[in-house]
Amino acid sequence: EAGVVQSPRYKIIEKKQPVAFWCNPISGHNTLYWYLQNLGQGPELLIRYENEEAVDDSQLPKDRFSAERLKGVDSTLKIQPAELGDSAVYLCASSLSPVGETQYFGPGTRLLVL
Amino acid sequence: GDSVTQMEGPVTLSEEAFLTINCTYTATGYPSLFWYVQYPGEGLQLLLKATKADDKGSNKGFEATYRKETTSFHLEKGSVQVSDSAVYFCALSKTGANSKLTFGKGITLSVRP
Repeated sequence: EAGVVQSPRYKIIEKKQPVAFWCNPISGHNTLYWYLQNLGQGPELLIRYENEEAVDDSQLPKDRFSAERLKGVDSTLKIQPAELGDSAVYLCASSLSPVGETQYFGPGTRLLVL
Repeated sequence: GDSVTQMEGPVTLSEEAFLTINCTYTATGYPSLFWYVQYPGEGLQLLLKATKADDKGSNKGFEATYRKETTSFHLEKGSVQVSDSAVYFCALSKTGANSKLTFGKGITLSVRP
């Protein structure tokens, strides 16, 4: 069974540029999560989807971050414009349902903003 | 709000040494508890979990017991190997509308041959 797929694995951009990350969850997993992991810290939830609905986006900085999960499968996280402080690893995870609890993580996208 | 506190790192051990990584939590209700591991260059992987008090999670020689009285979920292994070198994260989760993982800061373990 394929795991959670993320791309790109690495991205370097200049500040004020836009950037997008893509995630393909494990087949059949209805719940999808985006996490932000700063250096030396544990991941922090940005947004959670149940199918195509964003059910928890309270930690997503909506002035510059946006996300979508069209058709309830793949998801895209976008930052526009990027700031220096956005340099971090962006993790995607999926689970069968929130009640199932066990989340499976992708390898992450490491973003560097110059 | 909910939080997870892990002991400060990094930790360096010799092969076959005993390992304990401390984790305590603060949460309302009855969270599930997890240990995730991140090997160099890889994504987070679930190592073990426990969903109720006194449950013991175990995997790959690692164990952790859900202690509600001390709000702890310490990770132990009797004999570490070089291949156990990784970053270990303790986390909690509650079901339902607030389902999300709350992680500790993680601790880096290095095992010397």
